[in-house]
Order: sequence, then structure tokens, then C-alpha cells
Amino acid sequence: DAGVIQSPRHEVTEMGQEVTLRCKPISGHDYLFWYRQTMMRGLELLIYFNNNVPIDDSGMPEDRFSAKMPNASFSTLKIQPSEPRDSAVYFCASSQGNQPQHFGDGTRLSIL
Amino acid sequence: AQKITQTQPGMFVQEKEAVTLDCTYDTSDPSYGLFWYKQPSSGEMIFLIYQGSYDQQNATEGRYSLNFQKARKSANLVISASQLGDSAMYFCAMRGRGGGSNYKLTFGKGTLLTVNP
Repeated sequence: DAGVIQSPRHEVTEMGQEVTLRCKPISGHDYLFWYRQTMMRGLELLIYFNNNVPIDDSGMPEDRFSAKMPNASFSTLKIQPSEPRDSAVYFCASSQGNQPQHFGDGTRLSIL
Repeated sequence: AQKITQTQPGMFVQEKEAVTLDCTYDTSDPSYGLFWYKQPSSGEMIFLIYQGSYDQQNATEGRYSLNFQKARKSANLVISASQLGDSAMYFCAMRGRGGGSNYKLTFGKGTLLTVNP
């Protein structure tokens, strides 16, 4: 089975630009999670969905961040406008119920 | 609130020896899950092992075992017969009992393991 697929793997863009990160969860998984990893803050949950519905978005840093899950096989995390402090590795993970979460390879985002 | 503490920023071990990575946790949930993930230098997060708070036996997965001491709130990862490919960052994580917002993982800061030949 294919794992969680994230795109792009790397993104470099200038401050103020819109950034869209994409994720395809493992087929059959009903939970999808977006995490951010930085040196200063470690791994932190941004938002997660159950059956395409956002359940907990308390980790979303501010209104510049938004996430959607239009169907069971696709989710996006959007940053608009982007700032240098948004530079991080963004992970998408999925799980079936309370089974362990499986992570994608991450998107390494650099905002110049 | 849940909290994970990994007190070892870095550990060194000789190839073929066993190593224990420490993890302590704090939670008020009566039911919870504990996880270990491996992050090699290439960056991906790899699930290793899971322990449920009500599991009677310590979890094992191949060379990985979890030394779960509930009263001490510790969930140490033991890697037997270390290999050079085990060199990576290791994260301990916790999840609540599920339902509502309890599916999210809270991570420790990680331990960087280096296996020497």
C-alpha cells in the first residue's frame, strides 16, 4: 500500500506569497493530521480532521493559516501571506481510528 | 494537558550493543497511548512501536521493545543489537484515550542516537 503522499517535498518562496501544501492520506484512513516541525518548538499539531471534518484547529498559529479536506483522499494546508517565521518542515499524517499515525515524508518550506 | 519528557538530548552506543532511550510522561487521562517514532537524517517520521496504558505486557516489535512502567510514568525504548542504520532522532509521543480532541499526538523533544562501528 502506498503511504501518505505529500507535495511538494521542498518549497522556497518569497515573503508575502501564498503557499499551498498538499497531502494524500493512506486509503481507508479516517483521520488526517497536519504537524509542523521547527528547531525551536519541535513537533506540534496544527489541525486534524476526522472523516473530512476539522476536529481540532487549536494549533493553527494564526489566520494566515488555513486547511481544508474536500474529500477523503486529499487535504491542503495554505499559508497566505507567508512570512519567514513560517519556515519549517510540515508533515501530514493519517490513521485509521485510534491506530498509530503514519507520516508522509514532509514538505520542507523556506520563506525568504 | 499532556507532557512528554525526553531527558537525553544525545546518546552514543556501540554497534551490536543494546541501548535504552528514556521517556517520561504526564497526563490526567486514565487511558492513553504511547508511541515511539524514528526520524533519520533524511527527515521522514517512521512509526516504531505502540503501548496502550491498559496493555498487560510490554510491547515488542523486532529489535524494539518498550519498557513500560505505569507507576513511574515511564515508557523507555530499548533497541537491542544496535545497527549503524539505527542512527537517527527518536521521538516519544503520547495520545489521549481518543474521541474529541484526544487523537492528537504530543511529542517529546527527541533523543539523537548515534551508533558507532
